Amino acid sequence: GAVVSQHPSRVICKSGTSVKIECRSLDFQATTMFWYRQFPKQSLMLMATSNEGSKATYEQGVEKDKFLINHASLTLSTLTVTSAHPEDSSFYICSARDGRGRQETQYFGPGTRLLVL
Amino acid sequence: SQKIEQNSEALNIQEGKTATLTCNYTNYSPAYLQWYRQDPGRGPVFLLLIRENEKEKRKERLKVTFDTTLKQSLFHITASQPADSATYLCALDNTGKLIFGQGTTLQVKP
Repeated sequence: GAVVSQHPSRVICKSGTSVKIECRSLDFQATTMFWYRQFPKQSLMLMATSNEGSKATYEQGVEKDKFLINHASLTLSTLTVTSAHPEDSSFYICSARDGRGRQETQYFGPGTRLLVL
Repeated sequence: SQKIEQNSEALNIQEGKTATLTCNYTNYSPAYLQWYRQDPGRGPVFLLLIRENEKEKRKERLKVTFDTTLKQSLFHITASQPADSATYLCALDNTGKLIFGQGTTLQVKP
């Protein structure tokens, strides 16, 4: 089946630093990738949609200058949390759509736990 | 306003019984609805998709129904096992994006 990986699985950083999270589709080409954030005991909230080779589309209320997304290839998207603060601490999850298969199905990565001190 | 709600935050049942989880939505007209399983500290895993023109879908011990008139989907796990304990999320399509419910945490006791 389709596999999506994320790296790192967890990261602890100091306030003010930037953190980059990678999302890779391992056995398929992902024309579209999505980035979600999940706070404890809450649902997944879509942050942005990224299409290979074009600018990401951000959801309302998500600061594009703070959460930089780069989808440079059909198998890799990165999310950079710039100047991270404690309120950015959360579980970040990416998902990807297989460009060849059913467009409805999204394959999720295992998530990245970010803790900003 | 648009809402998607799962009936309860937690559901406890005895092993062997059928678990039924509910997902209700308002002010959406989804082309399809999906159910995912999420274990603690992990990403969601896709279980089933049901389209607006389908009433029911089955996969092994799982069954999903979709009533677009009631704006409701039911998710059933028959002959439940302790290994089924997890959080189950419903997600509906909103013009190509997935909108998730808050999840129901199922605990199956031996």
